[in-house]
Amino acid sequence: KAGVTQTPRYLIKTRGQQVTLSCSPISGHRSVSWYQQTPGQGLQFLFEYFSETQRNKGNFPGRFSGRQFSNSRSEMNVSTLELGDSALYLCASSSTGAGANVLTFGAGSRLTVL
Amino acid sequence: AQSVSQHNHHVILSEAASLELGCNYSYGGTVNLFWYVQYPGQHLQLLLKYFSGDPLVKGIKGFEAEFIKSKFSFNLRKPSVQWSDTAEYFCAVISGTYKYIFGTGTRLKVLA
Repeated sequence: KAGVTQTPRYLIKTRGQQVTLSCSPISGHRSVSWYQQTPGQGLQFLFEYFSETQRNKGNFPGRFSGRQFSNSRSEMNVSTLELGDSALYLCASSSTGAGANVLTFGAGSRLTVL
Repeated sequence: AQSVSQHNHHVILSEAASLELGCNYSYGGTVNLFWYVQYPGQHLQLLLKYFSGDPLVKGIKGFEAEFIKSKFSFNLRKPSVQWSDTAEYFCAVISGTYKYIFGTGTRLKVLA
């Protein structure tokens, strides 16, 4: 079955702009979580959605937001971009039951802020 | 605040050497523990996990990890590494709030 799909794969923005990233989870997975990956910082948890509800949120400023649609697809938005927002943004999905808490990751969206 | 520490940021080994990557976490309650791996050019993928039961868990490609509750540790081991094990390895923990916390990663380079 198809994996986790993230679009766009690469994008370049300038400071002050905003960006929207998209994630389509594995079919049947209802949980979608987002992570920021930077060298030296590892993966930092942004937020997690389950059945269109934000279930958990990491320690990021309010400029970072997300949502989940009824088909489990998710988007994250970053407003008023800063240079420090340059990173690889990873989306992961997980199922319920026996597969719960095991993440399947997408390839990521690499954001460069100039 | 909950945290995960990976002690080695870069490790270089020759093929057939033994590997042990350290991981310590700070949360004192019930945890689920994971190791994920990112091979060059590939997605992050699950290497192994511990939820409960036998504290020695085995994963793919000959990797294993031991959960030592008293030491808050979940170290990753492999008795004999191969060149194809070159990758970045991430330890992670989920606490009761279902918030994944990852370590900063360890880059392993295996010399042929």
